[in-house]
Amino acid sequence: DQQVKQNSPSLSVQEGRISILNCDYTNSMFDYFLWYKKYPAEGPTFLISISSIKDKNEDGRFTVFLNKSAKHLSLHIVPSQPGDSAVYFCAASDGQNFVFGPGTRLSVLP
Amino acid sequence: NAGVTQTPKFQVLKTGQSMTLQCAQDMNHEYMSWYRQDPGMGLRLIHYSVGAGITDQGEVPNGYNVSRSTTEDFPLRLLSAAPSQTSVYFCASSYSSSPSPNYGYTFGSGTRLTVV
Repeated sequence: DQQVKQNSPSLSVQEGRISILNCDYTNSMFDYFLWYKKYPAEGPTFLISISSIKDKNEDGRFTVFLNKSAKHLSLHIVPSQPGDSAVYFCAASDGQNFVFGPGTRLSVLP
Repeated sequence: NAGVTQTPKFQVLKTGQSMTLQCAQDMNHEYMSWYRQDPGMGLRLIHYSVGAGITDQGEVPNGYNVSRSTTEDFPLRLLSAAPSQTSVYFCASSYSSSPSPNYGYTFGSGTRLTVV
C-alpha cells in the first residue's frame, strides 16, 4: 500500500491561474515533506519543502501547506506559467529516506 | 559541472544479461541512493548508502547489488536482467546522511533501461 499518494495523475490549468497539487500520506512518523519537479528526460529537481513543525512555507510563486491532522499537504503555484508544465512528485521522510508519491502531471495552457 | 552523473543514458539488455549502471557525484555528498521510476508508482528506493563502505536495502532491492568503495561512486549492478526491471533509474545524493528539509536530494538525469 502506498504511503504517499497523489490521487490526481494529471491537472490542466490556464496560464495566470492557480495550480493546486495535492498529496496525502499515511505514516504519522513522516516529519519532512518535499516537492520535486521533473521535466521529461531529466532528473527530478527540488522545489520546496516543509517540516512538520510548520503548516506553511512560501518561496516566490510556490507555497506548500501542511495539515498534519489530515495527513495532507498541497502545493500552490500562483500565477501558473507554461514553464511550470512538468510532473510534480510529493516526497515524505521519517528522517532516513524519502518515500515518493506517483506524481501529478501539470499542464499549464497558454 | 558539479552534480550527479549517470551513465549510460539508455541501455537495452537481453533477459539474463548483467550490467552495471554508473553513478558519480563530485559534491562530496555522504548519502547516495538508487531509485527506479515506473508509471503510476513514483520513485521507489532500491538501495542506499550513508557513506563509503556502508550500504543498505530500500523498498525494492531484489535483483540488484550495490557497493560504495569511494565517496564519489555508487554503481548499481543488475545480476541477471529480467523484463520486470525495465524502468528509468535515477541516482540521487545528499550532503547529509539524513535528508535535509532544505534541499532534499540532487538527482542524476536518469538511465532508461529496457530488458527484452
